[in-house]
Amino acid sequence: GENVEQHPSTLSVQEGDSAVIKCTYSDSASNYFPWYKQELGKGPQLIIDIRSNVGEKKDQRIAVTLNKTAKHFSLHITETQPEDSAVYFCAAYPGNQFYFGTGTSLTVIP
Amino acid sequence: NAGVTQTPKFRILKIGQSMTLQCAQDMNHNYMYWYRQDPGMGLKLIYYSVGAGITDKGEVPNGYNVSRSTTEDFPLRLELAAPSQTSVYFCASLNGQAYTDTQYFGPGTRLTVL
Repeated sequence: GENVEQHPSTLSVQEGDSAVIKCTYSDSASNYFPWYKQELGKGPQLIIDIRSNVGEKKDQRIAVTLNKTAKHFSLHITETQPEDSAVYFCAAYPGNQFYFGTGTSLTVIP
Repeated sequence: NAGVTQTPKFRILKIGQSMTLQCAQDMNHNYMYWYRQDPGMGLKLIYYSVGAGITDKGEVPNGYNVSRSTTEDFPLRLELAAPSQTSVYFCASLNGQAYTDTQYFGPGTRLTVL
């Protein structure tokens, strides 16, 4: 099956700085890559996603890039704010089920 | 819309006991999923369903069973609970194709098996 690796596992940034989280996947059949934010005690919530026919997608302060050749995709958060502190998960979808990365705990220091 | 609801929020089981984790969604979604989340790990798929009466195994189905008699409900059954099933369980749903719809998650059930 698909294998998704995510780095780093923890990330601390100063408020206003940028944060980058990277994921790699193994199955070339994966064609959809969502990113989720999980706050303490809650279920994951979709924040942005990208399909395999697109190289980059942006939504205000967050953006995702996809390199199909290298099989990796990244989440970029600019101008970070304390409310961005959470655990972020990437996932890959080869057409039958979602495969998740192990998560990145992001702390934004005021 | 309540979205995806799960009950109970917390539960402690003794080894060998059984229980059912409840999941319901009011969005008329076809697809429903059960995941478990262990500390420091991502979500692992236990079972999923593409519609009433249709279920299939995910990555980690051993020790669990599911049924889908209605569109709204997707209960997860644990038989003979084991300490390895201590985890946080999330139910999720989405309408149709993953890349055109959002997957909505419930708030989770924290299960401890002692």
